[in-house]
Amino acid sequence: ETGVTQSPTHLIKTRGQQVTLRCSSQSGHNTVSWYQQALGQGPQFIFQYYREEENGRGNFPPRFSGLQFPNYSSELNVNALELDDSALYLCASSAETDIQYFGAGTRLSVL
Amino acid sequence: QKEVEQDPGPLSVPEGAIVSLNCTYSNSAFQYFMWYRQYSRKGPELLMYTYSSGNKEDGRFTAQVDKSSKYISLFIRDSQPSDSATYLCAMSKTGFQKLVFGTGTRLLVSP
Repeated sequence: ETGVTQSPTHLIKTRGQQVTLRCSSQSGHNTVSWYQQALGQGPQFIFQYYREEENGRGNFPPRFSGLQFPNYSSELNVNALELDDSALYLCASSAETDIQYFGAGTRLSVL
Repeated sequence: QKEVEQDPGPLSVPEGAIVSLNCTYSNSAFQYFMWYRQYSRKGPELLMYTYSSGNKEDGRFTAQVDKSSKYISLFIRDSQPSDSATYLCAMSKTGFQKLVFGTGTRLLVSP
């Protein structure tokens, strides 16, 4: 196991709702990245947080937002959910710019 | 056109076979090349990484990068049923962060 834990493991929401996903990074890691993995696809980079500041963003709309807390845990928030937001959301943590370690993900289903 | 192309498979081989997994890419700025393994219901796990061109070997695994052709490969020797998983190639311009993944190739090794 990587030491990166995500909650919840599964989530079902309806279109238009809001969702918050949580990630606890591995001890000693100060960088957290979030990825979206649609079914049958590779992960896509959403954004990264380094020492509580956003440090890069992929091609995702502003309704995807995040936070990193002083203990380096992180949240991913998605507003106005759409059907296409159904995916596995992966959190990865690292020490500075070193190798990332992924959690098992949160599977989000939007109905 | 996607920045990174990877055949989704599935690729089915008998135990003991040599497996070849490949990705092509279009962005010549990529300098770091990685292979991740993802088991069902798990997050991706880093197998190997290479900086720039060349080969790297680790046990039964060999990674090759040909930047002139924009082509990377992962070879698995003496494949085992426990190697059955999805193999994702990933690349970045600056290191282990903000990765661009391929679709993933599903590998099935039969006893």
